Amino acid sequence: DAGVIQSPRHEVTEMGQEVTLRCKPISGHNSLFWYRQTMMRGLELLIYFNNNVPIDDSGMPEDRFSAKMPNASFSTLKIQPSEPRDSAVYFCASSLDHTDTQYFGPGTRLTVL
Amino acid sequence: DAKTTQPPSMDCAEGRAANLPCNHSTISGNEYVYWYRQIHSQGPQYIIHGLKNNETNEMASLIITEDRKSSTLILPHATLRDTAVYYCIVRSNTGANSKLTFGKGITLSVRP
Repeated sequence: DAGVIQSPRHEVTEMGQEVTLRCKPISGHNSLFWYRQTMMRGLELLIYFNNNVPIDDSGMPEDRFSAKMPNASFSTLKIQPSEPRDSAVYFCASSLDHTDTQYFGPGTRLTVL
Repeated sequence: DAKTTQPPSMDCAEGRAANLPCNHSTISGNEYVYWYRQIHSQGPQYIIHGLKNNETNEMASLIITEDRKSSTLILPHATLRDTAVYYCIVRSNTGANSKLTFGKGITLSVRP
């Protein structure tokens, strides 16, 4: 089993640029989660999907952030325009159902200059 | 808002058992205790979870007190690779409280 796959693993961009992070959940999992981890705020949930439908996006910091899940095997988290305070590690996780055990990907380390 | 309390850090000697405590005095009847760990620069890794009975798997054992207000994660033979931040999380299996809310965790340092 390949586990949750995230790309890119590292991203360095300049303020104002668009950033797209990608996630492939574990096959057969119906729920997908996006988290962000910073030193100041720790690990926090941004949004989660169930059966490709966004269920709770209350953690999305502002309108610059958007997430999509066009099919069961792919999701994106987009930041447009990016700002230095968006620098963080972004994790994707998936589970069979949103109440089941979540399995995390390796993360994408984003640096916005 | 994490519903658990963990000491900030602890250490243990390699090969010895590591007992990581967690307090969750406000836990509800339908809430599970989950443990994850995060090794430096990696994603959180699921370890074990339980409701009220003690649980054991290939990674660890989870001991939950009878009143369910606290629990202990036991790594029976700690190795250097077990050095990580360990998160104790209380989580319902229904509704909004099914979210995973990570606190600061406990940093376990395994010394040679």
